[in-house]
Amino acid sequence: DTGVSQDPRHKITKRGQNVTFRCDPISEHNRLYWYRQTLGQGPEFLTYFQNEAQLEKSRLLSDRFSAERPKGSFSTLEIQRTEQGDSAMYLCASSLADMEHYGYTFGSGTRLTVV
Amino acid sequence: DAKTTQPPSMDCAEGRAANLPCNHSTISGNEYVYWYRQIHSQGPQYIIHGLKNNETNEMASLIITEDRKSSTLILPHATLRDTAVYYCIVRDSGGSNYKLTFGKGTLLTVNP
Repeated sequence: DTGVSQDPRHKITKRGQNVTFRCDPISEHNRLYWYRQTLGQGPEFLTYFQNEAQLEKSRLLSDRFSAERPKGSFSTLEIQRTEQGDSAMYLCASSLADMEHYGYTFGSGTRLTVV
Repeated sequence: DAKTTQPPSMDCAEGRAANLPCNHSTISGNEYVYWYRQIHSQGPQYIIHGLKNNETNEMASLIITEDRKSSTLILPHATLRDTAVYYCIVRDSGGSNYKLTFGKGTLLTVNP
């Protein structure tokens, strides 16, 4: 499978707990994105990496959120002290910079439920 | 905010063409029109994009009006598996404008 992989697919956590999601992009893609999607809405941009550098963070990404992409390969998104409002689908996507014209490839997402 | 307007839902009979409209009246000269779709419980999938000429690929056709203020995505022979939310997005593909701004899209339901 050469697509974008996300793990886990589903996560249920208690309010106040920390959670971490992983994204494995397509191996040759140097750009990686995180989006969040709540029920009935389209995905919203959270952050963007080019190789290992995090180049933009949305104001949606509060200080409880942190994303990393060590060595420019896989990425992790951590949410600390989860709140019920964090319940959403977290989507990862990747692209090749000079092929971005042809769109991103998204993973199937991690659905987070905070109880 | 999304720069596009789409109907919230549409129905189509299986085997018929599905024509999904999108208004983007404030589109600028260097902005492309992109279409993605999202099948339930999956991530969005790129379908097609265009600047001003009509485009066709193995999935769909994109018709952009001459003034570029609107476009139509055409699925020529819709199948049940085409049931999804379809997003029309305008985006400047130059330089560092890498973000996609999604609206609520159109839920296309293909009926048997």
